[in-house]
Amino acid sequence: GIQVEQSPPDLILQEGANSTLRCNFSDSVNNLQWFHQNPWGQLINLFYIPSGTKQNGRLSATTVATERYSLLYISSSQTTDSGVYFCALYAGNNRKLIWGLGTSLGVNP
Amino acid sequence: SQTIHQWPATLVQPVGSPLSLECTVEGTSNPNLYWYRQAAGRGLQLLFYSVGIGQISSEVPQNLSASRPQDRQFILSSKKLLLSDSGFYLCAWRDDRGYEQYFGPGTRLTVT
Repeated sequence: GIQVEQSPPDLILQEGANSTLRCNFSDSVNNLQWFHQNPWGQLINLFYIPSGTKQNGRLSATTVATERYSLLYISSSQTTDSGVYFCALYAGNNRKLIWGLGTSLGVNP
Repeated sequence: SQTIHQWPATLVQPVGSPLSLECTVEGTSNPNLYWYRQAAGRGLQLLFYSVGIGQISSEVPQNLSASRPQDRQFILSSKKLLLSDSGFYLCAWRDDRGYEQYFGPGTRLTVT
């Protein structure tokens, strides 16, 4: 089955710093998504990005399907960016998401 | 706009007691519905998904069951809870014509 690997597993930043989170996948990408889980557990959709680049404020994402990876960029990090970032993509029948184990991000003031 | 509700937010139950967690979606019809569990640590484990009323796919054989009695209602149940059932349970929905999944606020279950 499809394997999804995220790196780094943990990251600590000072407020204002930039960071890049990576998601590698073992098969042809299918409807990749990025999520943020805040410290209270709420999972929020960040990007639906099967290919190309998207930006939303300080966050942007790029998926290079032919090379089987996606990147999430966080610029000028804020303490509210803390939490766990997940990437996930669908298995072949487009019914079930396959999840990475996440990157835990802590932003210090 | 669409909204998803889960309740209760937190639950503490003794071993051997029954469980019923409810999830409802508003503002859409015929959604795909999902139950996930997140144990200590980070990984999300898909438990069940449903593409329509009465249609349930089970991903992990275990002590839990799911039902979809109405189009926008998804229920997670257990007859007798185990300690290993503790965790954070998340419900999600997806439009049948799209791919993005949207999550409810979750239920933190502690089995004592």
